[in-house]
Amino acid sequence: DAMVIQNPRYQVTQFGKPVTLSCSQTLNHNVMYWYQQKSSQAPKLLFHYYDKDFNNEADTPDNFQSRRPNTSFCFLDIRSPGLGDAAMYLCATSSGVWESTDTQYFGPGTRLTVL
Amino acid sequence: GNSVTQMEGPVTLSEEAFLTINCTYTATGYPSLFWYVQYPGEGLQLLLKATKADDKGSNKGFEATYRKETTSFHLEKGSVQVSDSAVYFCALSVVDTGRRALTFGSGTRLQVQP
Repeated sequence: DAMVIQNPRYQVTQFGKPVTLSCSQTLNHNVMYWYQQKSSQAPKLLFHYYDKDFNNEADTPDNFQSRRPNTSFCFLDIRSPGLGDAAMYLCATSSGVWESTDTQYFGPGTRLTVL
Repeated sequence: GNSVTQMEGPVTLSEEAFLTINCTYTATGYPSLFWYVQYPGEGLQLLLKATKADDKGSNKGFEATYRKETTSFHLEKGSVQVSDSAVYFCALSVVDTGRRALTFGSGTRLQVQP
């Protein structure tokens, strides 16, 4: 089945130690998104890639970076995690048609713990 | 701007009860509307969607109708099961000026008791 895969499902890191989260997709979608979801809150968009074009949200901290080496993979890098960065990180994809019907499909998420 | 307002939870129901979760929205353009479901410890799953006025999205016994006149997209199910216990997010999408994003409501937790 075509799907969005995130690894690892659970990640523990230390305060200030860089961490990378991974997302891959078999949907061949043009757009890949990263969301941050804190406990009992709605997901918050950090940034997205349309193909190789990176689109950052205005309020995304510089501590968060992303890479998309090819269509299938996208990485979220947190350069110096703080305690406030502990959250569920969700990857999503969409086909990229220029319409509001461009449905986003989510992966299972990576839960990040910062010690 | 765009926003989504959902009823606050938790909503606690007995098995086989009727479910309604209210959702209203404001949007600058003509949005598509979605309901996503999140089971404990999991990511979001698309439950249903509607892309134009009067469309009805349906899936797994859940339904929601796109009401442009009342800017609403209420989620309903005739008979809930314990397995429906989850958090439900209403969301809208408007693609404009190079930015594509989902705007989510705050989520409504549903607890179904046997």
